[in-house]
Amino acid sequence: DIVLTQSPDSLAVSLGERATINCKSSQSVLFSSKNKKYLAWYQQKPGQPPKLLIYWASTRESGVPDRFSGSGSGTNFTLTISSLQAEDVAVYYCQQYYSTPITFGQGTRLEIK
Amino acid sequence: QVQLVQSGAEVKKPGASVKVSCKASGYTFTDYYMHWVRQAPGQGLEWMGWINPNSGGSNYAQKFQGRVTMTRDTSISTAYMELSRLRSDDTAVYYCARSLRDSTGYLNWFDPWGQGTLVTVSS
Repeated sequence: DIVLTQSPDSLAVSLGERATINCKSSQSVLFSSKNKKYLAWYQQKPGQPPKLLIYWASTRESGVPDRFSGSGSGTNFTLTISSLQAEDVAVYYCQQYYSTPITFGQGTRLEIK
Repeated sequence: QVQLVQSGAEVKKPGASVKVSCKASGYTFTDYYMHWVRQAPGQGLEWMGWINPNSGGSNYAQKFQGRVTMTRDTSISTAYMELSRLRSDDTAVYYCARSLRDSTGYLNWFDPWGQGTLVTVSS
């Protein structure tokens, strides 16, 4: 199974500042022949289902604000929120869909400092 | 718009079974795989498996094999997840979520998700 380890577990950032969440994969999720990284990021607010933010590691879902961006290599990935807004308080999860079982990181709780 | 609407909350006793439904609308039901993911209180996301609504084929996480059954009724665009021999640690919110399977056979990201169904297992 592919294990995804997120860091940090929780993060407090001031409004307007940058937030960075990391996700490390135990093995590559890069499909070389397609040059696609099979990794997504989700945002989950209390009492709500997860919401897709980023897929292919760096493609922003339609309607997601451009302050959200994703980057990374075959095993190390980053979700960046360039200027934190109050509505960004949530838990963020990375997910690999390269192989089954599909796995998620443990989540990173983002709060306002 | 694309929507997944799940059945309501359930309370079950240990050893019983629960069947959760997920009704799809706004797209062709058989064009996308349906996954089930659960989330225990205050915990992270755990993938349980998928069903291909077109063929009825399924793939379950090893942890749930023998206890979970995923089915579908294409006439009403609804997927089902049944979990048997319930234990207290099965108490969780259960989500359905849609994904494509691309031309290379690889699954894609999950979008959208159902609103979730709380299953409480308690004596």
